[in-house]
Amino acid sequence: AQSVTQLDSQVPVFEEAPVELRCNYSSSVSVYLFWYVQYPNQGLQLLLKYLSGSTLVKGINGFEAEFNKSQTSFHLRKPSVHISDTAEYFCAVTQTSGSRLTFGEGTQLTVNP
Amino acid sequence: ETGVTQSPTHLIKTRGQQVTLRCSSQSGHNTVSWYQQALGQGPQFIFQYYREEENGRGNFPPRFSGLQFPNYSSELNVNALELDDSALYLCASSSQAVGELFFGEGSRLTVL
Repeated sequence: AQSVTQLDSQVPVFEEAPVELRCNYSSSVSVYLFWYVQYPNQGLQLLLKYLSGSTLVKGINGFEAEFNKSQTSFHLRKPSVHISDTAEYFCAVTQTSGSRLTFGEGTQLTVNP
Repeated sequence: ETGVTQSPTHLIKTRGQQVTLRCSSQSGHNTVSWYQQALGQGPQFIFQYYREEENGRGNFPPRFSGLQFPNYSSELNVNALELDDSALYLCASSSQAVGELFFGEGSRLTVL
C-alpha cells in the first residue's frame, strides 16, 4: 500500500513570486509520481509525471518537480507564478505495476496581485 | 482524438434512490477507473475495469458497482444513496501500460 502527504493545505503567494508545493510519499514498492491541477468545478489535468530517468521533471505551464528517492519526496515548483495558477494541486502515486492512483489531500494555491 | 467524457455533469437525488453515471474512455484506452472526490478532499479510488472485468477495488461498499462495455465505456451505479455519497465522481481512462490516467470533467452528485 502507498500513501501521499501534502504538507501544506493552503499556500498564498503574490504574483511573480516563486512557489513550492510539498509532497511526501510512502511505498514499499517502486512507484510512479504525478502532479495534477484542478480548477474550480473541473476535472483533473496532468501537470507532470515521473516514471523513470532524470529526477527533475518539467511539466506544463512552467511547473517542474524533483523526485528525491532518499527523502521520498516529489515537490512541485514554479519560479514565477501568475494569477491564473490559482487552483487546487494534487500529488499522486501509483505502483509501477498498475494505474491505481493514491492522491494526497490537495494544496490550494492562491496567487494574489 | 476525443478525451474522456462523462454524463450527466450534475444531478440531484434523494436518500435511498439509485444513480447511474456514465463514462466514455479516451480512444485507444482499455482501462477505466472511477474515483470519488468529496468536497475539500483528494479523489478516492472506487474501482477499476480492464477489458470488462473488475480489476481492483477500493474501500467502498457493495452498493457501489460498475460495468465496462465492449467499447470500453463504463457505468458507475450507486444504490441506496446516502447523504455522504454527495461528491464529484471522476472517471479516468488509461492504456495501463505506464500508469498514466486521463480524467474526465466529472459528475457532481448531490444527495438530499
